[in-house]
Formats: sequence, C-alpha cells, structure tokens
Amino acid sequence: NAGVTQTPKFQVLKTGQSMTLQCAQDMNHNSMYWYRQDPGMGLRLIYYSASEGTTDKGEVPNGYNVSRLNKREFSLRLESAAPSQTSVYFCASSEVSGLDNEKLFFGSGTQLSVL
Amino acid sequence: QKEVEQNSGPLSVPEGAIASLNCTYSDRGSQSFFWYRQYSGKSPELIMSIYSNGDKEDGRFTAQLNKASQYVSLLIRDSQPSDSATYLCAVRETGTASKLTFGTGTRLQVTL
Repeated sequence: NAGVTQTPKFQVLKTGQSMTLQCAQDMNHNSMYWYRQDPGMGLRLIYYSASEGTTDKGEVPNGYNVSRLNKREFSLRLESAAPSQTSVYFCASSEVSGLDNEKLFFGSGTQLSVL
Repeated sequence: QKEVEQNSGPLSVPEGAIASLNCTYSDRGSQSFFWYRQYSGKSPELIMSIYSNGDKEDGRFTAQLNKASQYVSLLIRDSQPSDSATYLCAVRETGTASKLTFGTGTRLQVTL
C-alpha cells in the first residue's frame, strides 16, 4: 500500500549542480503535483499535471522543469541548483483535479539543501 | 496575488478544551476549502473539506465557512495531545481547477 513514493528523502547539492526528484503513485490518479514548503511560506505549487501528457506551471516554476513520464510517474528537475531552492519538496496526487471532493495524497517529502 | 492568511501560532490549548483555528482568504469567488493536518517532519493529510456556508462536522472536527466574510475555521473539540500539529488551510480559487492555495499554517499545541 505504497501510495505516493518520492525519492530521494534527503539530498545535498552544490550550487550549479543538477538533479531530478522522482515521484510515483500507485493509486491510478490522473493528477499529480509538485509543491515546495519553506518556513513561513506554506506550501507553494511548482508545477502540476492534470492528466498524462499535460503539465502546467504553478506559482513558483522558475528554475524547475517537470516530466509526466506516464500516468504513474511525475519527475521534477533542477537544471542548475541555487541556494534559494533549499526547501522541502512534496509530490502529491489526486484522482481528478477540480472536484469538490478532491483529496491530495502527499509523498513523504524530499529535504533538499543547496550549498 | 491571491492570499490565504492564517495566524502562525503557536496556539496552546489544554487537553479536553476546544481549539479554534482560523483562516481568511482574499478571492471572493473561491468555492472549495480544505483543512490539512501536518505533523512535524511529516507530509500533510486532509482532515476536512467544506464547500457551502455553515458548519460541517466529522467526529471531533467541525469546519465552518462564511463566504460573505471570506472566513473559514476549524474547531477541534475535546483536544488531545495527538492533535498537536500544524493545520494548513487550503483554498481553491475561481477558475483554477488544479490549483490549491495554501496558508502558512497554524501550529497547535495541546498541553496536558
């Protein structure tokens, strides 16, 4: 009963390095999301994918790219990491976006530090 | 910039008391409202959703919505130490089917 699985759980990067955060869900959900959470800032949407084959920008997309590889997987890539991207990253999924009874299921998070 | 505002706390209540958590939002056209609970170091989990003015009860939790005042609240009756967590208010704004805007959260401490 895995739900939403994120890897890695922790990562330390140097400024300018690149990396990809992986996310997979086994609930057959259509919609997937990437959020970042910073102290005092709450959860902010980076990118989302309402269905397989589509992606859209959220509130804070700069410096990130995403790929909806298939219905299960949604990856987040940092091409050139910056200290401002130090944060906790959460992947989430939901069955259908926009419904009143929509429930987001979150992964366990990735703690990323950029030095 | 659409906003969802919460008092960061901490809100401290004794065990057995009622905890009242509040949230205001700026987009008058918002239709859907959610409360997520997040334990320290863990991911958020949905505990309540509300779409119509009035109260919605689920066990010890009651969500209250007043669209005219752009205000949504969460009441926790008979607070338990296990309720100690950060409570995130989330709002789906008009015309943004896939986007939730989260508040910064209120940290609740239930004391023995």
